[in-house]
Amino acid sequence: GESVGLHLPTLSVQEGDNSIINCAYSNSASDYFIWYKQESGKGPQFIIDIRSNMDKRQGQRVTVLLNKTVKHLSLQIAATQPGDSAVYFCAESGNNQGGKLIFGQGTELSVKP
Amino acid sequence: DVKVTQSSRYLVKRTGEKVFLECVQDMDHENMFWYRQDPGLGLRLIYFSYDVKMKEKGDIPEGYSVSREKKERFSLILESASTNQTSMYLCASSLPNPYGYTFGSGTRLTVV
Repeated sequence: GESVGLHLPTLSVQEGDNSIINCAYSNSASDYFIWYKQESGKGPQFIIDIRSNMDKRQGQRVTVLLNKTVKHLSLQIAATQPGDSAVYFCAESGNNQGGKLIFGQGTELSVKP
Repeated sequence: DVKVTQSSRYLVKRTGEKVFLECVQDMDHENMFWYRQDPGLGLRLIYFSYDVKMKEKGDIPEGYSVSREKKERFSLILESASTNQTSMYLCASSLPNPYGYTFGSGTRLTVV
C-alpha cells in the first residue's frame, strides 16, 4: 500500500552544521509534497512544499529536494540552530488522495550547542 | 495572522463522558480535518470534511463523530470517552487539494 516514511527516526547535529532529513514515498501518483516542523507541545508548522514539476525549491535556510525516479524527498537545513530542534514530518498528496495528506512518522532533530 | 484555533490546550475528562473538541479557522478553507497523534503511531486521520454539513470517515473513526454546521467550525465529538482516547488531537484546514494544511495548536486530552 501507499506509505510515506522516514529513513532515520532521530538525527543529532552540531549547531552551525547543515542537517539533512530524508523521506521515502511509495505512491508514484503523488504530485505534492510538504515538510512540517513540530515543536514539543505544539501543532505542526508548515516549512516548505514542492510540486512534482520541480526537483528543488529553496526557502530561508531550507531546501527541499525531490527525486521522483527513486521516490525520495529530503529537507536540508543550513547552519542549523538550537531553535531548529523539533520533529520534522514529510507528507505527500495527489489528485487521487482527495485533498488528504499522507504523513510520515517523523524524524526528531536534536541540535547540540 | 491566519489561524486555526482549538478551543482547549488541555482537557481532563472522565470515562463515559461526552466530550466536544472545537476547531475554528478564519481562512475560508473548504477542507477541515481531525487527527490524533500518539507516540510511535504518528498522525492518524479520524474524520474530515470538504464542505458544510458533509463528513467523511478517516482511518480511525470508531468512537468519534463530527459536526460541521458552519464552514469555519469543525467539531470532534467523543460520544463516550474511554481511556484509550487519551491523546493529542490536532485540527487542520486547507484549500481544495492538493494543498498543505494549516494546523491548530492541538488539544491534549486525558481520559481518567
